[in-house]
Amino acid sequence: DTAVSQTPKYLVTQMGNDKSIKCEQNLGHDTMYWYKQDSKKFLKIMFSYNNKELIINETVPNRFSPKSPDKAHLNLHINSLELGDSAVYFCASSQDLVGYGYTFGSGTRLTVV
Amino acid sequence: GNSVTQMEGPVTLSEEAFLTINCTYTATGYPSLFWYVQYPGEGLQLLLKATKADDKGSNKGFEATYRKETTSFHLEKGSVQVSDSAVYFCALKSGGADGLTFGKGTHLIIQP
Repeated sequence: DTAVSQTPKYLVTQMGNDKSIKCEQNLGHDTMYWYKQDSKKFLKIMFSYNNKELIINETVPNRFSPKSPDKAHLNLHINSLELGDSAVYFCASSQDLVGYGYTFGSGTRLTVV
Repeated sequence: GNSVTQMEGPVTLSEEAFLTINCTYTATGYPSLFWYVQYPGEGLQLLLKATKADDKGSNKGFEATYRKETTSFHLEKGSVQVSDSAVYFCALKSGGADGLTFGKGTHLIIQP
């Protein structure tokens, strides 16, 4: 059983489209995150949710909207995709807000053409 | 704010060589420190951690010691293998709701 699973693994789409990435964790964790990894491997946090409540919302364009229907799921919807959105997006979870043990998904490679 | 600085890569070594990847940090309070590893095409895996000054984290032959006086958490391994080739990330977490802050990653290449 995969602890943190993301779908899809690869996503190729045209500029201007709207797409979603889904994330689910079966660890019983309270907190989930989205991180963006750019072409130089730099990782930056985008959002965090704790028990479905938005906690961290870094400087991310409004085109990115996270949604957490329950504490086991955190989806990322992206409107009007741009070339610069091409990256690998990682979902992660931790026991709670102060938890040190993050578990990462295997990533979604988004390519905007 | 918090920040992590680690040596730029790629770092290329021969098998059985000694490895050091430097990591220094800036943070408020007393953060916990981590090393994560990313193998090609995979997500990040926790390699080791240290939660207070002078703690030593270790796993799979890798070690790092939390040095508060030099704000460092350098990763070392005595004898690297080809299978250690990956990208290594130093990271910190302060208390509270802040997420992990990562360094830019160091690409390690081990040649047979």
